[in-house]
Amino acid sequence: QVQLQESGPGLVKPSETLSLTCSVSGGSITSDSYFWGWIRQPPGKGLEWIGSVSYSEGLDYTPSLTSRITMSVDASKKQFSLQLRSVTATDTAVYYCARHGRNAYKELLYFDYWGQGILVTVSS
Amino acid sequence: EIVLTQSPGTLSLSPGERATLSCRASQTIGGSLTWYQQKPGQAPRLLIYGSFSRATGVPDRFSGSGSGTDFTLTINGLEPDDFAVYYCQQYRRSPWTFGQGTKVETK
Repeated sequence: QVQLQESGPGLVKPSETLSLTCSVSGGSITSDSYFWGWIRQPPGKGLEWIGSVSYSEGLDYTPSLTSRITMSVDASKKQFSLQLRSVTATDTAVYYCARHGRNAYKELLYFDYWGQGILVTVSS
Repeated sequence: EIVLTQSPGTLSLSPGERATLSCRASQTIGGSLTWYQQKPGQAPRLLIYGSFSRATGVPDRFSGSGSGTDFTLTINGLEPDDFAVYYCQQYRRSPWTFGQGTKVETK
């Protein structure tokens, strides 16, 4: 059973960088059958996909955040990470990491396993 | 960007009733649609993928249908555990987008 767990600071100051890590267990983080994604949910609101990263096959970011985000995979630690720069109060949200499946044609699909989420508040 | 519009925003029903939730896409997405269930304080849970295929462990009272731009999630015989928020998500084209959610609440 694949399990994911987010970690990182729960409070970030405006204009600083939000950094989160997702630890993966029960599955291979280097498999080309999956990307690894981040999704966020502002309090009381809906879900927003941020981006997805693969160990060896690239990145896919949402256009509205491309200029502020960096994602990477550390296979030795079985972790992947998110950095979101120049944060403001509108970046306050629960951040989820999730496994982003692919089909036989290498097309990205849906998110089948999710972490429990971590609330990150942007405030001075 | 493909916009998904869910309706209604809230559905007030009693246990045992049928829930019918709609998700409409701003452009055709074939059958590339997923439904998730989210309970308060929890992560979303995959329910339906490929418009109608149930994920592992999902009871058969949940069914999905539709293709192109119009999709439906039906819950036959609501159980207390089913009262939650439901989101659709398209995976036809990046950016991968979600609907705004439908809350199924107890009447």
